[in-house]
Amino acid sequence: DGGITQSPKYLFRKEGQNVTLSCEQNLNHDAMYWYRQDPGQGLRLIYYSQIVNDFQKGDIAEGYSVSREKKESFPLTVTSAQKNPTAFYLCASSIEGGYTFGSGTRLTVV
Amino acid sequence: GEDVEQSLFLSVREGDSSVINCTYTDSSSTYLYWYKQEPGAGLQLLTYIFSNMDMKQDQRLTVLLNKKDKHLSLRIADTQTGDSAIYFCAESTALGGGGNKLTFGTGTQLKVEL
Repeated sequence: DGGITQSPKYLFRKEGQNVTLSCEQNLNHDAMYWYRQDPGQGLRLIYYSQIVNDFQKGDIAEGYSVSREKKESFPLTVTSAQKNPTAFYLCASSIEGGYTFGSGTRLTVV
Repeated sequence: GEDVEQSLFLSVREGDSSVINCTYTDSSSTYLYWYKQEPGAGLQLLTYIFSNMDMKQDQRLTVLLNKKDKHLSLRIADTQTGDSAIYFCAESTALGGGGNKLTFGTGTQLKVEL
């Protein structure tokens, strides 16, 4: 079955460390997105990619980096420059006709 | 920029109707969506409406759009305990594809009481 897989489901990071969140899709979607969710703030766009080897900053890109070397994959790195990284991260992909979301990764800084 | 607003909480009794409201500011919004999020999970698309429509009904769900006031609502008939979740309103200028981003509201936590 086609879908989006995010891993891991839970991730713990020590302060000062970089961590990478995985997002893989087998839907053959060109566009992919990363959102951050905080309680009472909805979902905010971090980065998005319209096509392989191209990506753009969203509304809250500072402290994050992405790559899009393959159509199927859009990993997100949370760097030590992100001052408040504890949040729920959602990956999505889209094609003309709609968006599909992964099940999310909960990142906690310890 | 775009802004989408929702009230944070709604509590209803089982069997009653729930109405979740949303306002948006971007007059170029073409598609308006309702997503459901259960605890610790991703987002499930419930329904969407094209901006030239006033109403869309799908089983227990009714979406009303007042484009003049930029107001969107989701009515859930005969609300059940399984409807307890966070409901997000979202808008975009296209139905997916390209770099057409979804802009989300803050989400409304619906609690269904027995």
